[in-house]
Amino acid sequence: KAGVTQTPRYLIKTRGQQVTLSCSPISGHRSVSWYQQTPGQGLQFLFEYFSETQRNKGNFPGRFSGRQFSNSRSEMNVSTLELGDSALYLCASSPGDSTEAFFGQGTRLTVV
Amino acid sequence: KQEVTQIPAALSVPEGENLVLNCSFTDSAIYNLQWFRQDPGKGLTSLLLIQSSQREQTSGRLNASLDKSSGRSTLYIAASQPGDSATYLCAVSSYSGGSNYKLTFGKGTLLTVNP
Repeated sequence: KAGVTQTPRYLIKTRGQQVTLSCSPISGHRSVSWYQQTPGQGLQFLFEYFSETQRNKGNFPGRFSGRQFSNSRSEMNVSTLELGDSALYLCASSPGDSTEAFFGQGTRLTVV
Repeated sequence: KQEVTQIPAALSVPEGENLVLNCSFTDSAIYNLQWFRQDPGKGLTSLLLIQSSQREQTSGRLNASLDKSSGRSTLYIAASQPGDSATYLCAVSSYSGGSNYKLTFGKGTLLTVNP
């Protein structure tokens, strides 16, 4: 069974640009969550989608957005990139509530 | 607001030693607790999931315990090996907004096992 797949693995963007990251969950998993990991703040929750609906959002500015498609694949978008957005972005999938989360390898975003 | 603390922040041990990693959380109203391992620059690998109704879970040389009322969990690693070197993260699942699927993470314990 394939794991959680995130693309691309690495990205370098310039301040002010926008970026889209993709996450394909494990087959059959309907919940997809996104997290930002930085050395200073650790892992922070961005948002969670279930059956194409955003159920929960973390404390991030509106420049961070996401969506989920009918096949459960998810994308997150960051507009007007800032240097502080440089981080490892991790996607997690799970079958449903209160179940085990499985993470992808992450997308390393560097903003220059 | 749920907060998760992991102690120690870093730990260095000789190969073969048994060790304990600690995790504490401020809000005992959790659904489950999960331990992860992260290798440098990589994603998270799930090690053990303990539901709130459970006291412990075991997988191979790993044993995790949960005391929900006191807000504590421990991860016990037996007979440590150099391949166990990684950052170990504890995360709790708490109700937040419209779903109970939000993980709150500790900052992790960086484990180094020396040959």
